[in-house]
This record gives sequence, structure tokens and C-alpha cells, in this order.
Amino acid sequence: DAGITQSPRHKVTETGTPVTLRCHQTENHRYMYWYRQDPGHGLRLIHYSYGVKDTDKGEVSDGYSVSRSKTEDFLLTLESATSSQTSVYFCAISVGGNSPLHFGNGTRLTVT
Amino acid sequence: SQELEQSPQSLIVQEGKNLTINCTSSKTLYGLYWYKQKYGEGLIFLMMLQKGGEEKSHEKITAKLDEKKQQSSLHITASQPSHAGIYLCGADSGFGNEKLTFGTGTRLTIIP
Repeated sequence: DAGITQSPRHKVTETGTPVTLRCHQTENHRYMYWYRQDPGHGLRLIHYSYGVKDTDKGEVSDGYSVSRSKTEDFLLTLESATSSQTSVYFCAISVGGNSPLHFGNGTRLTVT
Repeated sequence: SQELEQSPQSLIVQEGKNLTINCTSSKTLYGLYWYKQKYGEGLIFLMMLQKGGEEKSHEKITAKLDEKKQQSSLHITASQPSHAGIYLCGADSGFGNEKLTFGTGTRLTIIP
């Protein structure tokens, strides 16, 4: 475990409601990432951050926003959840360059 | 965009047998990362390869990157129940770790 905590670990929500997932790290790594994992699609990058208040979009960013006000926290928000956002969400961190990403244990989100 | 194809998608192997998992890219690989995932958990980093022809080993797992840097293989010798899980490859196609692409994974089952 690379000092990454995701919360909540499980969540069930209704379509149209806002949802925020939290990723907290104790490693002081510069880079933080949000991925989603779906059968047949593998891991796909949603958003990433390269520093406090510095974020960029990934492959599947539509419907998601992120914020990073502190080095240790990276929040993923679904403004109005849809059933297509039912997935397992993983947070990852890295020091940058070609260093490997280290992943949290994931959040399983179900949108009904 | 880069696509990574893993084969096989699933593998059932008798304990003690050797096995190989492949990861093939449509583009040149500037960095290739192997991860293992157990059900309900995050991804655990195994090994990283960067140079054509490079080979790395850890315990009974060996990973290789071919000379053309478009295919990697993961070989497990004398498989054990602890090797069971999902193996994923992740690749940097030259855009850095901010834009890693992942394969869809290979599910490995070890039977006694």
C-alpha cells in the first residue's frame, strides 16, 4: 500500500445526484490521477493533476470534474450522476517522469 | 491513440505449470508497466521496462520487452495459487506517464 486512501469504498446513488469521491495520499507525490475500470475497457484515464490547482483532462473526462486544493487530496466530482458512470474508480499517484503509478484500492460506484 | 491488446484474456493453469501473458501495442512503447490486481483491490506494480530487449525478473515472474518495443511478455515459472489474479499492462507511448494506456487485462486462475 503506497499511502493512498480512497473514500468511500462503496457508494450507491441515484441518477441525477451529485457525487464526490476523495483520494488522499501521504506520500507527497506531485502527480495524482483518476481512472475508471470497466469490463472490456480496462483502465481509462478521467483526469489527472500535476500540482496543486493544476489539472488536465484524460480520455473520458466528460461528466466529471476534479479539484486539488492541497497536495494530498484529489477530488473527483460527478455533477449529475448517470447510469453510464457506474464503475470502479481508482486513484493513482506518482512522482512523475517515468516512475510507475501506485494505485489505491478503488471505489465501487453504482448509479441506479 | 495507442491501443494495447493483451492475450489471452483468461488463463487457467494447473499449479506448478509455467505460463506466458502477452501485451502488444499498435505503437512504439517508451515505457511498459506490468501490474497485478486481485479482486476488489487496487493494482500492484510489478515491473517496468523501457529499453528494447530488456528483461527483468522478480521471484518467479519475468517480463521482457522485444527489440522493436511493441510487444511485452510476462512469464511465470512454476505457478502458485498466490499468482492468481488479473494482470494488466500499461504503456507510455511517448506522452509520459500522464497519458498511460492500459490493456484490458488477463485473468489468471491457478488450479491445484
